[in-house]
Amino acid sequence: NAGVTQTPKFRILKIGQSMTLQCTQDMNHNYMYWYRQDPGMGLKLIYYSVGAGITDKGEVPNGYNVSRSTTEDFPLRLELAAPSQTSVYFCASTQVSNQPQHFGDGTRLSIL
Amino acid sequence: AQKVTQAQTEISVVEKEDVTLDCVYETRDTTYYLFWYKQPPSGELVFLIRRNSFDEQNEISGRYSWNFQKSTSSFNFTITASQVVDSAVYFCALSDIRGSEKLVFGKGTKLTVNP
Repeated sequence: NAGVTQTPKFRILKIGQSMTLQCTQDMNHNYMYWYRQDPGMGLKLIYYSVGAGITDKGEVPNGYNVSRSTTEDFPLRLELAAPSQTSVYFCASTQVSNQPQHFGDGTRLSIL
Repeated sequence: AQKVTQAQTEISVVEKEDVTLDCVYETRDTTYYLFWYKQPPSGELVFLIRRNSFDEQNEISGRYSWNFQKSTSSFNFTITASQVVDSAVYFCALSDIRGSEKLVFGKGTKLTVNP
């Protein structure tokens, strides 16, 4: 019962570095999402995917890229890390639209 | 545009008190879904309830209950006889039926239950 798995759990980056946050789900869900959560704020959607090969921007996509080559994996890429990207990142998935989303445990990212 | 407002940023109660968390939403859609999630201090997000816009029946699950009122665009959450383990941040969220099925979250209400 792995569900949605995110790696790494914690990471510190220097400004300008790049990295990929990994997200994989074993529930054969079509829909996958990336959110960021800033202190005192709700979750904001970065990117989402409705199936393999299909991705689209959410509310706050700038500075990020995604790909969805398989149903299971939905990595989030930061190309040039900036301090404003310090946040907790959550990946989520769901099989049927408007069903509850299953969330990973989050990745806490600090950019210094 | 869709919007979810949780006006209560933080609430502090003493154990065994009842507490209501408010959620007001805005949408132009006639069909939509409302959710509540719990985020305990450990950080994970736990699904609590989903309600569609055509079902205005109140729901009770143990000490938890939800009051959905379309007339006031509200979906409030009440915890009866609160316990220390209820301490968490609670998020209300909204999604529509079109296209992306994206969730729009409120900013959350931090509930602290003191012994």
